[in-house]
Amino acid sequence: NAGVTQTPKFQVLKTGQSMTLQCAQDMNHEYMSWYRQDPGMGLRLIHYSVGAGITDQGEVPNGYNVSRSTTEDFPLRLLSAAPSQTSVYFCASSLTGLAIHEQYFGPGTRLTVT
Amino acid sequence: GENVEQHPSTLSVQEGDSAVIKCTYSDSASNYFPWYKQELGKRPQLIIDIRSNVGEKKDQRIAVTLNKTAKHFSLHITETQPEDSAVYFCAASMKLTGGGNKLTFGTGTQLKVEL
Repeated sequence: NAGVTQTPKFQVLKTGQSMTLQCAQDMNHEYMSWYRQDPGMGLRLIHYSVGAGITDQGEVPNGYNVSRSTTEDFPLRLLSAAPSQTSVYFCASSLTGLAIHEQYFGPGTRLTVT
Repeated sequence: GENVEQHPSTLSVQEGDSAVIKCTYSDSASNYFPWYKQELGKRPQLIIDIRSNVGEKKDQRIAVTLNKTAKHFSLHITETQPEDSAVYFCAASMKLTGGGNKLTFGTGTQLKVEL
């Protein structure tokens, strides 16, 4: 199993550009989520999905869109990048959304918006 | 919403000493408390967790304690080694209206184990 994979590893965008961060898992996990990690602030939940076709907002959803057309993939879209979106983005998955199931994190995408 | 505070933000210990990291949470509905270790440039990885119906859990050199009344939980690392140097995050989990559980993370503790 590759586990949770993310692409790209690094990305530099100009303000106003759009892009999609890719996340995939091959563990047949129902639950997937996106976090951003900023210095001194821990990880904050952006969006999550409890299964294919179902998504919902987390703590900091503004400026981001998600979709979940398959169990395996959960892309995060930035429609118009802003410098405030400079961060490290982690995708995570777990067997279900229940707390008893461990969340596995991907390797992260470091995004810089200039 | 849930708020998790974590202290200290940095911790330096000598190899072989113990390290303690403390967290408090605000929402009494939180029922699951994981701890993650993140090495520089790497992803967070779960090292230990505790559920609200348990007061203490141990796994070799690491242990976690939970005081539900006071709403705080702590990570204890004994006989620290240089490879324990990393950032440690606590988290509290509560149910989301849309299903699933939301993890609210503390701000992290940079642990440095010195030779």
